[in-house]
Amino acid sequence: AQSVTQPDIHITVSEGASLELRCNYSYGATPYLFWYVQSPGQGLQLLLKYFSGDTLVQGIKGFEAEFKRSQSSFNLRKPSVHWSDAAEYFCAVGPHWGSQGNLIFGKGTKLSVKP
Amino acid sequence: EADIYQTPRYLVIGTGKKITLECSQTMGHDKMYWYQQDPGMELHLIHYSYGVNSTEKGDLSSESTVSRIRTEHFPLTLESARPSHTSQYLCASSELTPGETQYFGPGTRLLVL
Repeated sequence: AQSVTQPDIHITVSEGASLELRCNYSYGATPYLFWYVQSPGQGLQLLLKYFSGDTLVQGIKGFEAEFKRSQSSFNLRKPSVHWSDAAEYFCAVGPHWGSQGNLIFGKGTKLSVKP
Repeated sequence: EADIYQTPRYLVIGTGKKITLECSQTMGHDKMYWYQQDPGMELHLIHYSYGVNSTEKGDLSSESTVSRIRTEHFPLTLESARPSHTSQYLCASSELTPGETQYFGPGTRLLVL
C-alpha cells in the first residue's frame, strides 16, 4: 500500500540550529516527492519537490531535501532555523508522469523554535 | 502568486443545517481538490475534479457533495451538518499534469454544534 511516514510528530529546535525532518515513503515506483509547509491558520505552501535527476533539491526559504532511493526517504533540512520557520511540515508523494492518482500526505511534523 | 480563495474562513453551525463551503481560483487550473484535515492528522482527499462537469470521490469517504459548473469554482456542500463533520476543509488546485504543484487556499474551519 502507498503510504508516507513522518516519524516525528513534534520537534523543537533553537533558533540558529540546524534542522532535519524525516520522511519515509512506500510506493510502487519512484514517485514524485514534495514538502509542504503550513503556518497557523493558513493553507499549505510548497517548499520543494523532486521529480528526477539530482537527488539534492533546493527549495524556498533556504530549505533543501535529499532523495535516497535505497532508504525510501526524502528528508528535509535547513542549516540554520529562523523563528519564522515555526510551522507544520508535510511530506507528500504523488504519481509520476504517465500514472494516475493523487498526492498522499504524511501526518505532518510540527516545528517549534526556541529563542 | 497563487490565488485561491475560500469562504467562510470560520463557521459555527447547528446540527442539521445545510452548508456550502466556497472555493475559487483565478489561475485557470483544471484540477481542483477538497481535503479534510483534523489536528495532528494527515490531509485526507475527499473530492477532486478534472474540470467542468467532472467530480470524483477521494480516498476518504465523505457525506459532502461537490459540483464543478465553472472552471474557477468548486463548492462543497453538506446537506445536513453533524458534529462529526467538525474539521478543517482545505481546497487546492493544480494543472492536470501529474506532479504539478498544488496551490492551497487558507482553509475553512467548521464547527458543528
